[in-house]
Amino acid sequence: DIVMTQTPLSSPVTLGQPASISCRSSQSLVHSDGNTYLSWLQQRPGQPPRLLIYKISNRFSGVPDRFSGSGAGTDFTLKISRVEAEDVGVYYCMQATQFPLTFGGGTKVEIK
Amino acid sequence: EVQLVESGGGLIQPGGSLRLSCAASGFTVSNSYMSWVRKAPGKGLEWVSFIYSGGNTYYADSVKGRFTISRDNSKNTLYLQMNSLRAEDTAVYYCARGHYGSGTYSGAFDYWGQGTLVTVSS
Repeated sequence: DIVMTQTPLSSPVTLGQPASISCRSSQSLVHSDGNTYLSWLQQRPGQPPRLLIYKISNRFSGVPDRFSGSGAGTDFTLKISRVEAEDVGVYYCMQATQFPLTFGGGTKVEIK
Repeated sequence: EVQLVESGGGLIQPGGSLRLSCAASGFTVSNSYMSWVRKAPGKGLEWVSFIYSGGNTYYADSVKGRFTISRDNSKNTLYLQMNSLRAEDTAVYYCARGHYGSGTYSGAFDYWGQGTLVTVSS
């Protein structure tokens, strides 16, 4: 199974400041079809997960452009350029390159 | 508008069975890739099961042989039959739809239901 490791566990951020979350996979996420099936999700308290980014760096419809994804192979990053109060929640990376699908452990973003 | 509404959760004794439903609207379940994901109290997200539009199914090792994913095309509904339930199956269960970007499956899930709570306890 592919293990997804996220850091940090928690990220206290000042409003308006940037935040960065790292996600590392135990093996390359490049699929035999050439795609890398790495996505990022946000889960606000009491809400279901919400898709932010798919295939490393593509923002899902309606996601603010302060969210961006980057990376390749085994190392990926989600960045929030200027954190807003509504960004509080837990962020997960997920790989779908091979079954079983696996999630990172989550990173809690909170306001300092 | 795409909507997913789960139901069927509740309190069940260890060893018991439950069937979760996920009623979909705004799209056709049989033409989509669908999945079940759960979140146990105090833990992160855990993938449970997946069904391709063609009908192939996949399961996490932790539920293989006990859970079965299926769909009813006439009702546009996804199901998760859960047998031999254990305390560690206690979680909120979400159904989610596979996302298509540029006409192909992107490996992500774009719409999620609100979830249904399953509590396995004596």
